[in-house]
Amino acid sequence: QQQVKQSPQSLIVQKGGISIINCAYENTAFDYFPWYQQFPGKGPALLIAIRPDVSEKKEGRFTISFNKSAKQFSLHIMDSQPGDSATYFCAASMEVSGTYKYIFGTGTRLKVLA
Amino acid sequence: DGGITQSPKYLFRKEGQNVTLSCEQNLNHDAMYWYRQDPGQGLRLIYYSQIVNDFQKGDIAEGYSVSREKKESFPLTVTSAQKNPTAFYLCASSRQPRNNEQFFGPGTRLTVL
Repeated sequence: QQQVKQSPQSLIVQKGGISIINCAYENTAFDYFPWYQQFPGKGPALLIAIRPDVSEKKEGRFTISFNKSAKQFSLHIMDSQPGDSATYFCAASMEVSGTYKYIFGTGTRLKVLA
Repeated sequence: DGGITQSPKYLFRKEGQNVTLSCEQNLNHDAMYWYRQDPGQGLRLIYYSQIVNDFQKGDIAEGYSVSREKKESFPLTVTSAQKNPTAFYLCASSRQPRNNEQFFGPGTRLTVL
């Protein structure tokens, strides 16, 4: 019940296209949903995050869509660029025994073709 | 510059040896975390600490140990009891346990020879 399922495992998009990565969860106690971007050999960096009281959040070319009833959330990268080629992780956070634990998805490797 | 530093970037260890990975942060964050990352898997929590001199086991603590003697430092020791220690190790911190945003360090890649 603490799993976060992420798809697809890998994604190839043409430059200028839209990249869409999906995540689903079961536990309704999750209350914070961040997306992280990770380049090879580097630590993940927070990209954008959303809380369940909001259905959409946009920051530049990056948008999170959140569907509370379906327990799904997705990352949309508009006008995808070769520099966006990285691995993207969704996560869900909830309080467990007095601290917030992150549960991460398995990652999506995005390649944007020039 | 505020941030999280991990050292070394690459580490090689012979089987049967203990090794300690360093994690330091100057963000004045209370909470610190250690994750393990393997290919095709999400990040898995090893240990976390909410305050100095206190830490709790995460989901995969067996074969690892930590200490939190200073707010800035949260070293991880990979012991010989860890059966498959080759992985990418990531340290993270957050301002408070209830503050959800976690900031990650650059990672240490450990290879057991």
